[in-house]
Amino acid sequence: QKEVEQDPGPLSVPEGAIVSLNCTYSNSAFQYFMWYRQYSRKGPELLMYTYSSGNKEDGRFTAQVDKSSKYISLFIRDSQPSDSATYLCAMSYNNAGNMLTFGGGTRLMVKP
Amino acid sequence: SQTIHQWPATLVQPVGSPLSLECTVEGTSNPNLYWYRQAAGRGLQLLFYSVGIGQISSEVPQNLSASRPQDRQFILSSKKLLLSDSGFYLCAWSVMGEGVAFFGQGTRLTVV
Repeated sequence: QKEVEQDPGPLSVPEGAIVSLNCTYSNSAFQYFMWYRQYSRKGPELLMYTYSSGNKEDGRFTAQVDKSSKYISLFIRDSQPSDSATYLCAMSYNNAGNMLTFGGGTRLMVKP
Repeated sequence: SQTIHQWPATLVQPVGSPLSLECTVEGTSNPNLYWYRQAAGRGLQLLFYSVGIGQISSEVPQNLSASRPQDRQFILSSKKLLLSDSGFYLCAWSVMGEGVAFFGQGTRLTVV
């Protein structure tokens, strides 16, 4: 079993739809939970991160962490074609090395 | 603000040739530095990380090595490239003690 599981998709939605992206994990020691957006042939761009648990909102994006279920989510409201990308979840410990463990990424396509 | 520079953006090298990829971070001191590799359509694999000058930890035994000659400079090297070294290489940094990482734009390496 992988430490972090993420459905690879692709996930295809019409413009304006609400998108839900999810990851599950097995290691309860993770403290930081991140979502990255990666366009083709580009480096991952940090969208949002949460320390420990709870929700965080930034514009059209909402990140949720449920540590009891070991489950994190990213919601995108009013999705736009420019949101079409691969979304990577990542998690890390709160220690000196801070190495991130990534999910495999979900490819999202928002159709006009 | 902090920025990360990674070059070159693309590289085509023959089998058996040496490799040197460079990454520098600006606007921060004593960052954690990382090299990741991303195979086509797959998640990110941590190759090396460094918590200080001259301190390198390897996560995956392979044909590559890393060095950190200065606080904000991280170099990925190989003496003799293999076909299997082809991939998308990403440099990243984080603040010591914080588990959030920021990525460069990546180098796409093709070994022919």
